[in-house]
Amino acid sequence: NAGVMQNPRHLVRRRGQEARLRCSPMKGHSHVYWYRQLPEEGLKFMVYLQKENIIDESGMPKERFSAEFPKEGPSILRIQQVVRGDSAAYFCASSRLAGKDTQYFGPGTRLTVL
Amino acid sequence: DAKTTQPTSMDCAEGRAANLPCNHSTISGNEYVYWYRQIHSQGPQYIIHGLKNNETNEMASLIITEDRKSSTLILPHATLRDTAVYYCIVSKETSGSRLTFGEGTQLTVNP
Repeated sequence: NAGVMQNPRHLVRRRGQEARLRCSPMKGHSHVYWYRQLPEEGLKFMVYLQKENIIDESGMPKERFSAEFPKEGPSILRIQQVVRGDSAAYFCASSRLAGKDTQYFGPGTRLTVL
Repeated sequence: DAKTTQPTSMDCAEGRAANLPCNHSTISGNEYVYWYRQIHSQGPQYIIHGLKNNETNEMASLIITEDRKSSTLILPHATLRDTAVYYCIVSKETSGSRLTFGEGTQLTVNP
């Protein structure tokens, strides 16, 4: 049973470029969560999505950040016009639709902005 | 979500039990206690969770006090690979409940 998959594992962007981070949830999971871990800091919730719907984006910066979870395909976290402060590890977690709702995390994408 | 308090760091000898405490004195009746760990900079790994009864799985045991204001995660035979930051999180077991990670406890297992 494959776990949560994220790609790329490492991403390098120059300031002003766009970063796209992908997350494929575990099989049978239709809830996706994105968290960010800045260097030397704890994990912070960003956004929670179900298929085709953003449920809670209260942790996501208002500017330049967006997320989607289309009917088909992985969830995408998109960062436009990246700045050095966006350098961080971005983790995706998924959970099942019903019943116990334990979140299982992927390996993360490490974004470095030059 | 209720706030949790954990020691900043702990040491444990390889092969011995590691007991990691967590205080959550403001926990409400429908909130569960979750434990995750993060090894180096990997993705957080789910360990165990419980509501009020003690729980055990292949990784660990979770002991929750009767008043639910504190809990202890027990790794029965710690190995070097258990060196990690351990997070105690209180959360509702419902869809959409975000996990609020604190500072956690850095557990170092020594040979």
